Amino acid sequence: GDSVTQMEGPVTLSEEAFLTINCTYTATGYPSLFWYVQYPGEGLQLLLKATKADDKGSNKGFEATYRKETTSFHLEKGSVQVSDSAVYFCALSDSWGKLQFGAGTQVVVTP
Amino acid sequence: DGGITQSPKYLFRKEGQNVTLSCEQNLNHDAMYWYRQDPGQGLRLIYYSQIVNDFQKGDIAEGYSVSREKKESFPLTVTSAQKNPTAFYLCASIDRGGSYEQFFGPGTRLTVL
Repeated sequence: GDSVTQMEGPVTLSEEAFLTINCTYTATGYPSLFWYVQYPGEGLQLLLKATKADDKGSNKGFEATYRKETTSFHLEKGSVQVSDSAVYFCALSDSWGKLQFGAGTQVVVTP
Repeated sequence: DGGITQSPKYLFRKEGQNVTLSCEQNLNHDAMYWYRQDPGQGLRLIYYSQIVNDFQKGDIAEGYSVSREKKESFPLTVTSAQKNPTAFYLCASIDRGGSYEQFFGPGTRLTVL
């Protein structure tokens, strides 16, 4: 079945550092790919998405490119802020709209 | 503003009691989902509904029940058969008109005393 694997956390880094969170997937067909962010005690918010190969999703300085050849959707941000501290989830959607989530990666940004 | 509401935000239950979590959406979405989140873990699908009066089990449906009598509402009942119900529960609905983006509610934290 479909699955998503993302790097384990926590990832701790200083403000203005470069952030990468690796995400790879296994799926039949051509899923849509998503990154969601969760702040403490809240629901998930969509951060960015890509619906086909080579699409680049971007939002709030975050970027991820849908790489079919490597089945990856790595999240990157060039200069993180303390406010970026959260848990980040990579996910894929099947043709029915069901989401398969990775385990989540906690990111801690220190001043 | 369109969105998804879940109530209550915090819920306490005694062992052996059933409890119902509310989920309402005014996004006109056909499909709705319930997920469970445990500390340090990802989300696991409990039940989902693609259309009114129809729903399917997800990966961890045992001990839970749902109904979908209205498009806007998808309540989840946590029954006494659920052995470890303490968790954070998230409801979502989906825009199937384009990229299958799921919209999430703020969640309900259930604690069994």
